[in-house]
Amino acid sequence: SAVISQKPSRDICQRGTSLTIQCQVDSQVTMMFWYRQQPGQSLTLIATANQGSEATYESGFVIDKFPISRPNLTFSTLTVSNMSPEDSSIYLCSAKTLSNTGELFFGEGSRLTVL
Amino acid sequence: QKEVEQNSGPLSVPEGAIASLNCTYSDRGSQSFFWYRQYSGKSPELIMSIYSNGDKEDGRFTAQLNKASQYVSLLIRDSQPSDSATYLCAVNSDGTSYGKLTFGQGTILTVHP
Repeated sequence: SAVISQKPSRDICQRGTSLTIQCQVDSQVTMMFWYRQQPGQSLTLIATANQGSEATYESGFVIDKFPISRPNLTFSTLTVSNMSPEDSSIYLCSAKTLSNTGELFFGEGSRLTVL
Repeated sequence: QKEVEQNSGPLSVPEGAIASLNCTYSDRGSQSFFWYRQYSGKSPELIMSIYSNGDKEDGRFTAQLNKASQYVSLLIRDSQPSDSATYLCAVNSDGTSYGKLTFGQGTILTVHP
């Protein structure tokens, strides 16, 4: 398994501002992903964070709104830009380990509230 | 659109009973299947994975996979109040071990004493 640390764990933000969430994994992983979980909903994949290159975004998510970096194998950031109340959500960092079994592990999540 | 559907909840069972959670998926090429448990206010926690047809048992949990019917289920025996949570079915959606997971909408399980 992997231990995934995210920060901030929660924040209250003003409309129009941006916030960057950091994700650190305690071991080398193959893949890192960012998910969003809106209140009462399941998990929706935002993008795959690729090491040293641009992230791969899912339909409905764009780089200008959710820029992602992954400078090395164990660290990634997600920025939520120009926030609106609709961005209030839990953002989850996740990773797959080198075990090659496809299992996905999650960080504790970052709960954002946009006023 | 690759989809994962779970039986609608919430599901309520008495303590000691068997809880049955079901999931269907649309992509026949899917190869890996997972069940996650998510307590309120917490992140998802992996409880079972299954990769081939049949049953896989781990303690009180049994995962069942039927690729022909595109169906995966989770049975929880001797249900305990501590099993009360949302259970998420997840399917590998690109056919590789490195691929992304698509999640179902979740089933809320309540185990009452």
